[in-house]
Amino acid sequence: GAVVSQHPSRVICKSGTSVKIECRSLDFQATTMFWYRQFPKQSLMLMATSNEGSKATYEQGVEKDKFLINHASLTLSTLTVTSAHPEDSSFYICSARGGGREAFFGQGTRLTVV
Amino acid sequence: AQSVTQLDSQVPVFEEAPVELRCNYSSSVSVYLFWYVQYPNQGLQLLLKYLSGSTLVKSINGFEAEFNKSQTSFHLRKPSVHISDTAEYFCAVSDLSGTYKYIFGTGTRLKVLA
Repeated sequence: GAVVSQHPSRVICKSGTSVKIECRSLDFQATTMFWYRQFPKQSLMLMATSNEGSKATYEQGVEKDKFLINHASLTLSTLTVTSAHPEDSSFYICSARGGGREAFFGQGTRLTVV
Repeated sequence: AQSVTQLDSQVPVFEEAPVELRCNYSSSVSVYLFWYVQYPNQGLQLLLKYLSGSTLVKSINGFEAEFNKSQTSFHLRKPSVHISDTAEYFCAVSDLSGTYKYIFGTGTRLKVLA
């Protein structure tokens, strides 16, 4: 099956710094990538949808200047959490879709801001 | 817009007993339906999916779900659970409108008791 790799799996950063999370489709070209956020014991909330080469579409309530998404190639999308604060600590999951009918999920990144 | 309802936040069940995790959805367009399982501090694993064809879909580890269009449901069942089935289960829908973004339910924590 299609494989989506997310890196890093865990990251701890200091408050005020920025952190970048990578999402790669390893064996297919991802025309669309999605970023989700999951708080402890809660469901996944869609943050944004990105198509290769164009600007991401953010869901209502998600700060686009806070969560920068870049989808510069068909196999890589990045999420940068800028000026991170403790409330940004969460589990971030990406998914990617090629030309098929379903998306494939990465293993997630646990972000802890101290 | 789509929405997914998982009415049961927690389901305790004894080992080797049957279980049903309920999922209802709302959508004005056709959707694909999915069940994912998440173990603590891990990403999502696809359990099974309904894209088209037979309304009864089965996983390799004994789970099955049936798409019921008239009741807009996609309940997950297993005739005999194991301790290892203890996890969080998420139902999701994906619309066919073009973006294929996934909307998740709030999750059901299945706890299998010895």
